[in-house]
Amino acid sequence: DVKVTQSSRYLVKRTGEKVFLECVQDMDHENMFWYRQDPGLGLRLIYFSYDVKMKEKGDIPEGYSVSREKKERFSLILESASTNQTSMYLCASNPTAGTDGYTFGSGTRLTVV
Amino acid sequence: GQNIDQPTEMTATEGAIVQINCTYQTSGFNGLFWYQQHAGEAPTFLSYNVLDGLEEKGRFSSFLSRSKGYSYLLLKELQMKDSASYLCAVRSLFTGGGNKLTFGTGTQLKVEL
Repeated sequence: DVKVTQSSRYLVKRTGEKVFLECVQDMDHENMFWYRQDPGLGLRLIYFSYDVKMKEKGDIPEGYSVSREKKERFSLILESASTNQTSMYLCASNPTAGTDGYTFGSGTRLTVV
Repeated sequence: GQNIDQPTEMTATEGAIVQINCTYQTSGFNGLFWYQQHAGEAPTFLSYNVLDGLEEKGRFSSFLSRSKGYSYLLLKELQMKDSASYLCAVRSLFTGGGNKLTFGTGTQLKVEL
């Protein structure tokens, strides 16, 4: 089975801190994605990557950056955490070819205080 | 851009049939997915349609009409464990290669005795 692992299930950080959310997948997928999920707003795409060192902005990239130095790892970086970045963050991956949807990680619930 | 609409909430009775509708307006359409998400968990893949018509998978079926920008998810013989949020997601191609999913805000289904 495809496995997408997010390093932390829960995180509490202070305003202004630099925060790293890590995601690793073990099925050699080309595409990786970071979403945040908020009540009433659904899943919103922050950034995605379709290859190593390649990245594309999603719908809400402001305040975030990403890094993909290796194919299996996609990191989301909050340069200076703010309270409005308190959310559930979901990482996902899928292969470029075929009809597969995404496989999601179990999510990281980030609270910024 | 993408615009995806689905009802916010639905309630149905155990053993009954329920249909969850999804309408979309999108560019670069390359398929429509349905996901199930239980509270506090990651979304899990249910179904995929890229051509018009009905796809059946056990108690779950999904229908697509590309000309109308319309899909539905049909759940039969409802069980209490089907109480969850159901997410409609449209896949589109992006210029760099690969694809991305844009999600609706989800339909919260409550199954009652």
